[in-house]
Amino acid sequence: DTEVTQTPKHLVMGMTNKKSLKCEQHMGHRAMYWYKQKAKKPPELMFVYSYEKLSINESVPSRFSPECPNSSLLNLHLHALQPEDSALYLCASSQGTDTQYFGPGTRLTVL
Amino acid sequence: KNQVEQSPQSLIILEGKNCTLQCNYTVSPFSNLRWYKQDTGRGPVSLTIMTFSENTKSNGRYTATLDADTKQSSLHITASQLSDSASYICVVSQVTGFQKLVFGTGTRLLVSP
Repeated sequence: DTEVTQTPKHLVMGMTNKKSLKCEQHMGHRAMYWYKQKAKKPPELMFVYSYEKLSINESVPSRFSPECPNSSLLNLHLHALQPEDSALYLCASSQGTDTQYFGPGTRLTVL
Repeated sequence: KNQVEQSPQSLIILEGKNCTLQCNYTVSPFSNLRWYKQDTGRGPVSLTIMTFSENTKSNGRYTATLDADTKQSSLHITASQLSDSASYICVVSQVTGFQKLVFGTGTRLLVSP
């Protein structure tokens, strides 16, 4: 199984809402990543978890809050987002320095 | 500055034709180079991966080359199909305890019938 799953596929939320994005992998990978991708741009790294601990936070605003409940799950909690946060949010996982496998993404729209 | 530049930005070819996409990078330290295919609104899918010592890697109709001396890579697509229409992203990996990827801006390929 080389699949990374993400839910939901699409999310529309208001600026006062609280929502969460979910990511799951069962490949035994110990590194998991959140990326943000705007249209026609490459993905931008947001967070990296290594062995369930936050290793990298690329100066992401606190309205994005990551969580890694266990080695297979990665969440991204969203609160008080802005319209400019609308984007495709990608989750990925890797076994150390091996290939990163990407999920299909969550298309987020903030109204 | 670590950068990955790709050319052309966009490309339209007729179905059945071949094409070659280019990638130049200035990433250091270098671990490996990957080509990903990304359909619109979907996550990237890895096509090939090459380390410093590899010159060529094939995956079906996709053939990637790497010249580590000139820091250039290419992706050649043979006998293009309509389903090849996508963005192709060159990604260079740095080893920093985990895998940090430096993404190119991509080439948007449209295969026309």
